[in-house]
Amino acid sequence: QVQLLESGPGLVKPSQTLSLTCTVSGASINGGGSYWTWVRQNPGMGLEWIGNIYYSGSTSYNPSLKSRLTISQDKSKNQFSLKLTSVTAADTAVYFCARDQEDIVRTHKPYAMDIWGQGTTVTVSS
Amino acid sequence: DIQMTQSPSTLSASVGDKVTITCRASQNIDWWLAWYQQKPGKAPKLLIYMASYLESGVPSRFSGSGSGTEFTLTISSLQPDDFATYYCQQYGTFLWTFGQGTKVDIK
Repeated sequence: QVQLLESGPGLVKPSQTLSLTCTVSGASINGGGSYWTWVRQNPGMGLEWIGNIYYSGSTSYNPSLKSRLTISQDKSKNQFSLKLTSVTAADTAVYFCARDQEDIVRTHKPYAMDIWGQGTTVTVSS
Repeated sequence: DIQMTQSPSTLSASVGDKVTITCRASQNIDWWLAWYQQKPGKAPKLLIYMASYLESGVPSRFSGSGSGTEFTLTISSLQPDDFATYYCQQYGTFLWTFGQGTKVDIK
């Protein structure tokens, strides 16, 4: 059974860097078929796709966050991580990691997030 | 970016009702659409992918249809466990975007 678990500080000061890690169990991030993804949800709001990483190391980022965002992976620990620099109150949100299935037959695009972590709340405040 | 617009934003219904939620894309996304259910304090749960394929383990009262720019999620007979917020998400063209959500509450 595949499980994802987010970890990281719950409180980050403005202008500092938000760092989160997603630990994957029951599946290997070192193989095709999945994109490992971050999504966030501002308080009381909808869902925002942040970015993803493929096992090859290839990344895709939301253009609105791209200048501040880095997603990386540690295959030895079966983890992938998010770093968001220069945070403001607007980055306060619940952050989810998820497995996004890859269309391996034709397009190699992602097409559905079938496994999600429980989410971790990050508050940006001094 | 492709804008995803869900309607209604809120829907009040009773157990046993048939419920339909609509998601409209601002551009053609073929069938690259997923539907998720989210309950308060929980992660979203995948219900439907590629517009009409039921995710394994999801009750058959959920169904999805549509292609191009208009899509629907239907719950054939609403159950107590179905009161939640539902989101559509498009994978037609990057940037992958979500609808704003439809909250289904008790009438």
